[in-house]
Amino acid sequence: QQQVKQSPQSLIVQKGGIPIINCAYENTAFDYFPWYQQFPGKGPALLIAIRPDVSEKKEGRFTISFNKSAKQFSLHIMDSQPGDSATYFCAARSGSARQLTFGSGTQLTVLP
Amino acid sequence: NAGVTQTPKFQVLKTGQSMTLQCAQDMNHEYMSWYRQDPGMGLRLIHYSVGAGITDQGEVPNGYNVSRSTTEDFPLRLLSAAPSQTSVYFCASRSGGSGDTEAFFGQGTRLTVV
Repeated sequence: QQQVKQSPQSLIVQKGGIPIINCAYENTAFDYFPWYQQFPGKGPALLIAIRPDVSEKKEGRFTISFNKSAKQFSLHIMDSQPGDSATYFCAARSGSARQLTFGSGTQLTVLP
Repeated sequence: NAGVTQTPKFQVLKTGQSMTLQCAQDMNHEYMSWYRQDPGMGLRLIHYSVGAGITDQGEVPNGYNVSRSTTEDFPLRLLSAAPSQTSVYFCASRSGGSGDTEAFFGQGTRLTVV
């Protein structure tokens, strides 16, 4: 039973394009939503995170949009570069132990 | 700082063998976790610890044991390896307290059970 559903599974864009990765959740107890970036052979690394009291957060070329009523959030990568090619995971956190629940991941390829 | 260090990086086991995946962090983090990563399934939580001497089960704990005798170390034990445990394993740590602190991941252990 997947509590955080992520799409698409893979995505190919041209350099300069704006890939968008979407996630949806059911558990209303989730109150922290990070995105992780993973390069081949490496562990995931925190990219950007948002709490549900804001609708948008930007850090450099990365933007999270959050729709609390729809229980959806998405990652936008502006002016994408070949170096952004990686696997991206959305996640959510809740509970007293504050453990992360991950989406299934999106493999992004940015063509030069 | 070394951050989160996992050993070994690669391991091949025969069905029924036992082994321990090591995880150490040098950031004095209270919280540590083990995840497994499988294609199309993201990262799934195996076990976690909120401090020395305290552990709890995650989403997929069967076939794995953990202990946390020190703040720094959080080993994951496979008592009798099965092919279904072929996966990439990641250890993570983060500081505790209030607020949402960043989780730092190790570089992973790729385990193959034949």
